[in-house]
Amino acid sequence: DAGVTQSPTHLIKTRGQQVTLRCSPKSGHDTVSWYQQALGQGPQFIFQYYEEEERQRGNFPDRFSGHQFPNYSSELNVNALLLGDSALYLCASSSTDRGAEAFFGQGTRLTVV
Amino acid sequence: AQSVTQPDIHITVSEGASLELRCNYSYGATPYLFWYVQSPGQGLQLLLKYFSGDTLVQGIKGFEAEFKRSQSSFNLRKPSVHWSDAAEYFCAVVTHSGYSTLTFGKGTMLLVSP
Repeated sequence: DAGVTQSPTHLIKTRGQQVTLRCSPKSGHDTVSWYQQALGQGPQFIFQYYEEEERQRGNFPDRFSGHQFPNYSSELNVNALLLGDSALYLCASSSTDRGAEAFFGQGTRLTVV
Repeated sequence: AQSVTQPDIHITVSEGASLELRCNYSYGATPYLFWYVQSPGQGLQLLLKYFSGDTLVQGIKGFEAEFKRSQSSFNLRKPSVHWSDAAEYFCAVVTHSGYSTLTFGKGTMLLVSP
């Protein structure tokens, strides 16, 4: 079992650009959540996808959007990047059949310059 | 809305000594509670979880945590710390929404001295 995999591991972008991060959930999981972890902080919930729909959303602007594919993998898109978007972006997968336990990927480190 | 407080930003413990990391939550009903560990630049690894039942839960790597409803606490403990335990520890809560959305504390950085 490969667990939750994220790509790329590191990324450097310029202010104003757009970025796409990718996540493959753990085998058997149908729900994907995205979190932003700024340096020295705990992860903050961005949004959650289930059945290819955004099911819940945290307090993040519309510049943050996502998608879930039929194979349950997911993308996080961020438009008009700001310096403050620099963070570790974590993907977590879970199964509606198994309740609240979430498994995390290793994250994508995004640096905006 | 639920919230999680980890009052200690940093803790230094001697190798072999016992450890207790504090976590308090704010939520109207009994939440699902978790402890995660994060090594530098890495993702989060689940140490243990509490859903219901026995209030003392055992996790991986010799960690345990006790749920105390009266104190709204879920403190993490380990009887003897190893140098490899140095990492950042996060307490998190999920409401019974079934949506598995986690609210995290700000974390406690554990330093282990020889």
